[in-house]
Parts: sequence; structure tokens; C-alpha cells
Amino acid sequence: GAGVSQSPSNKVTEKGKDVELRCDPISGHTALYWYRQSLGQGLEFLIYFQGNSAPDKSGLPSDRFSAERTGGSVSTLTIQRTQQEDSAVYLCASSLIVRAGNEQYFGPGTRLTVT
Amino acid sequence: DAKTTQPTSMDCAEGRAANLPCNHSTISGNEYVYWYRQIHSQGPQYIIHGLKNNETNEMAYLIFTEDRKSSTLILPHATLRDTAVYYCIVIGTSYGKLTFGQGTILTVHP
Repeated sequence: GAGVSQSPSNKVTEKGKDVELRCDPISGHTALYWYRQSLGQGLEFLIYFQGNSAPDKSGLPSDRFSAERTGGSVSTLTIQRTQQEDSAVYLCASSLIVRAGNEQYFGPGTRLTVT
Repeated sequence: DAKTTQPTSMDCAEGRAANLPCNHSTISGNEYVYWYRQIHSQGPQYIIHGLKNNETNEMAYLIFTEDRKSSTLILPHATLRDTAVYYCIVIGTSYGKLTFGQGTILTVHP
């Protein structure tokens, strides 16, 4: 079956522009997670969804970052007024349910470059 | 969530077993140990997880010490394609957030 897909695979944007990153989770997975990986840095948790709600937004680095999920499926991560430090690979993962003990399946990521 | 300690890097000869240790001395009884790996330029890939008993699947073995303070991921017959960063993660929160450390860079050589 299809895995987690993300689009675009690469995005180059000018500083100050807004960007939207999309994640399509595995069908039937109720939990969805966003992470990012900056050059030379580890993977950093951003936010997770249980269905369409996001109980914990504390990982979002600033109020320029927001995310939503509609229909319990597709999720969009939006970065407003992008800055150069936002350059990173943004990874999405999904799992069957939100609970420790459930493996997360990752997408290939979106590489964001802010010039 | 309990912290983990892993060696920065390890080497392994192709066809031999790769044994990747992880120390999680502060792990509590309801915390799982997960292993993921990240091959260059790809998203992380789930390998295996366990709570306290040794586990096995088609990819690997996960062996716990009796006191659960450490564990070892074993790739029984390493191939060149197993070259990756391997992350040992302890999860105790109810929503399964993954906190990645620096991991172990495993290099499998011919």
C-alpha cells in the first residue's frame, strides 16, 4: 500500500514569503506528526494531530508556524514570513493511533530552502 | 522521557552481525524502547520496539539486559544498505512523540 507522501519534495522561497507544506498520511492512520531536521541537527518534534485536533503545539518554534488537518487525513504545515533559519527538511509521520507502542511511518520529507 | 546514550559511530563488515548498544539507565517500567534508522537523504524508518522482553522481526533483534537499563539492536547479517544513522528512543508519553538524539552512525564496509 501507499506510504506517507509529502509535497513538494523541494521548495525554494524568498525570505518573507509564506509557504505551505503538505502531508498525506497512510490511509486509516489517525495520528499524524510533523518534525523538522536542520542541517547538522537532529530531528525536532513540532506538532502532532489526533484526528483533526492538535492537543500539543508546544513544539512549534514560533507563531509564524501553524498546522491544520482536515477530514482526519491530509495535513498542511504553514510557515508565514519565512526566515533563513527555517531552512530544513520537514518530515511528516503517521501512526495507527496516538499511543506509545505504535510505530510511526515517515514520509520522504520536504526540503525547504529560504534564500 | 528517559534519556538514551549511544556511541557516536560504529563500523561493521558486510555479512557480519552489527550490534548497536543503547544505554537508558533511567527508563521506567511503562516506557518503550524504539529503534529507528535514517539512511542518507531519506525519512527515518522504523526498525523495532520493545517494552521489556526481547523482540525480533524480519529486520532485527532487540535484546534487553535483565534490569532494562540498556539494550542492543542486532542486525544479524549487515549489508551495505544498512549504512545509516541508528536512533534509540525511549517513549513514555501517551502520544508517542519521538525525541531523537544524535544516534549512532553505522558504516557497513565490504
